[in-house]
Amino acid sequence: QKEVEQNSGPLSVPEGAIASLNCTYSDRVSQSFFWYRQYSGKSPELIMSIYSNGDKEDGRFTAQLNKASQYVSLLIRDSQPSDSATYLCAALFSGGYNKLIFGAGTRLAVHP
Amino acid sequence: EADIYQTPRYLVIGTGKKITLECSQTMGHDKMYWYQQDPGMELHLIHYSYGVNSTEKGDLSSESTVSRIRTEHFPLTLESARPSHTSQYLCASSVSNQPQHFGDGTRLSIL
Repeated sequence: QKEVEQNSGPLSVPEGAIASLNCTYSDRVSQSFFWYRQYSGKSPELIMSIYSNGDKEDGRFTAQLNKASQYVSLLIRDSQPSDSATYLCAALFSGGYNKLIFGAGTRLAVHP
Repeated sequence: EADIYQTPRYLVIGTGKKITLECSQTMGHDKMYWYQQDPGMELHLIHYSYGVNSTEKGDLSSESTVSRIRTEHFPLTLESARPSHTSQYLCASSVSNQPQHFGDGTRLSIL
């Protein structure tokens, strides 16, 4: 099992809908999780961090962490075509050095 | 806004040349990283450094080398470029337990 796993997609949602992106993780990662957005040909951009169980909201984005199920998710409300990108789930490696373990990413396509 | 800079943004060069990709950050971050990413593919960590004069190889084997003589500077060198080195190279930096911030990347193409 990979340390951080994501469905590669593509996930296609209509404009205005809620996009739900999911990520599972193994015991080899620590309890710090991050969501990055990466547009085609660009570098990853940090959009959310979550460190404790529950929900964290920032504008249209909500990150959810469920430690019992080893599950992290990102909800995007009122999805816009400009949200179309690859979303990378990342976790801090528990072995130190602040290494991030990245998932393979989920491609999101928001269609008008 | 993270202040991490990579140069050049694009490089097209012939086989056998020596290449240095530059990465600098002005945030005083102690940890720096190099990733390699092919189009549409996963990020792969190739090198990291947790301070001056400390470097480690990442999870993906790479023929490149790095150095960390100053906190703000983490260059990556390819002694003899080959077409298999064609890729995007991304530099990132962080402080302990905080997320990494990425530069804009260098898109390298070896002919």
